[in-house]
Amino acid sequence: EPEVTQTPSHQVTQMGQEVILRCVPISNHLYFYWYRQILGQKVEFLVSFYNNEISEKSEIFDDQFSVERPDGSNFTLKIRSTKLEDSAMYFCASSRDLAGSTDTQYFGPGTRLTVL
Amino acid sequence: GQQLNQNPQSMFIQEGEDVSMNCTSSSIFNTWLWYKQDPGEGPVLLIALYKAGELTSNGRLTAQFGITRKDSFLNISASIPSDVGIYFCAGSNTGNQFYFGTGTSLTVIP
Repeated sequence: EPEVTQTPSHQVTQMGQEVILRCVPISNHLYFYWYRQILGQKVEFLVSFYNNEISEKSEIFDDQFSVERPDGSNFTLKIRSTKLEDSAMYFCASSRDLAGSTDTQYFGPGTRLTVL
Repeated sequence: GQQLNQNPQSMFIQEGEDVSMNCTSSSIFNTWLWYKQDPGEGPVLLIALYKAGELTSNGRLTAQFGITRKDSFLNISASIPSDVGIYFCAGSNTGNQFYFGTGTSLTVIP
């Protein structure tokens, strides 16, 4: 069964450094999403992406964050100048159609980001 | 942002018992989803609800889309040890942005 994959599984970085989290969505999916989950807390929406542009973003997704689909298979989340509070699990998700209408999102296994 | 509250926050039950949990929001949603998350993994979709009043089953799981569109319920019948995990509700109006609940942690005692 097709699945969303994410790399790396764990990323450790120094505060102030830039990180890029990578995701390979399910191949025939058109809508892509990033979420984060701080340890022990709920999943929080960051951004949705369709047709090579951001569809929606939350208040968390400020200028420190950016997303890109550099080729036909990868979907990346870049975090510039990381802060301690960026430490969290970051989940990528994808859906074939607009999730919530006739389809829904499938989540990847996550990347655990630790900022020291 | 939207606040979705789940109750109870945690549950400890005996294997074989039924489980009920709910999710309430101050805002209405057009779509409700229920996910299960195992430790160290991403959420896995259990049930999706698209219509107010809808009652949908998936095996031992049954979920309902509240008639007010501000709440949803998940029931698990005859619980088994592998039901252990955190259950999240999520709501959406656009299909692009989903708001997740605070989670219900389920522990099943064999």
